Amino acid sequence: DTAVSQTPKYLVTQMGNDKSIKCEQNLGHDTMYWYKQDSKKFLKIMFSYNNKELIINETVPNRFSPKSPDKAHLNLHINSLELGDSAVYFCASSHEPGQGYSPLHFGNGTRLTVT
Amino acid sequence: EDKVVQSPLSLVVHEGDTVTLNCSYEVTNFRSLLWYKQEKKAPTFLFMLTSSGIEKKSGRLSSILDKKELFSILNITATQTGDSAIYLCASTSYNTDKLIFGTGTRLQVFP
Repeated sequence: DTAVSQTPKYLVTQMGNDKSIKCEQNLGHDTMYWYKQDSKKFLKIMFSYNNKELIINETVPNRFSPKSPDKAHLNLHINSLELGDSAVYFCASSHEPGQGYSPLHFGNGTRLTVT
Repeated sequence: EDKVVQSPLSLVVHEGDTVTLNCSYEVTNFRSLLWYKQEKKAPTFLFMLTSSGIEKKSGRLSSILDKKELFSILNITATQTGDSAIYLCASTSYNTDKLIFGTGTRLQVFP
């Protein structure tokens, strides 16, 4: 009965490949996010969706494309993977698009390693 | 540019010690400050603070916000090895829906 679940947990792939990370939440939240955590443990938002609509799109390369088929799912597709994409990617959800009043619930992360 | 700075970056203590983690922020039109604990996997929510001077408490953990001096502290009393983790501070503003994280404080508690 995991609240926010991501798959896969680990992803090792070569440069130039295309890969996807899936995320699902069963909390009934309206808003979902993707965060990237680099090697220094710094968490940075990439995207935010509210009821399947994109509301935050940070300065992220066009190779990253989020897709939300419904409000319980937010998948992340990455084209033409580069070495610098290696990181842990966290999916999260919250009740409201404004993160200030509703804490985030995070998934366990997907560790992406690009070789 | 909005930013959140945490100190110290790393802290090593013995079980039973009390620790204080610091978080300062520079956020335009500040809305709230949040603390998360990250062990091996996902960050888990600890506290959300919106008002100055009101302490939030959960067991051995407590936190307080000072909106005048723009900082927050997270206190952990009688530390246990299970408190070992990275503690993340994050802030939000009314201008944006983004949560801005600090780089975290790595706490290690040894028996």
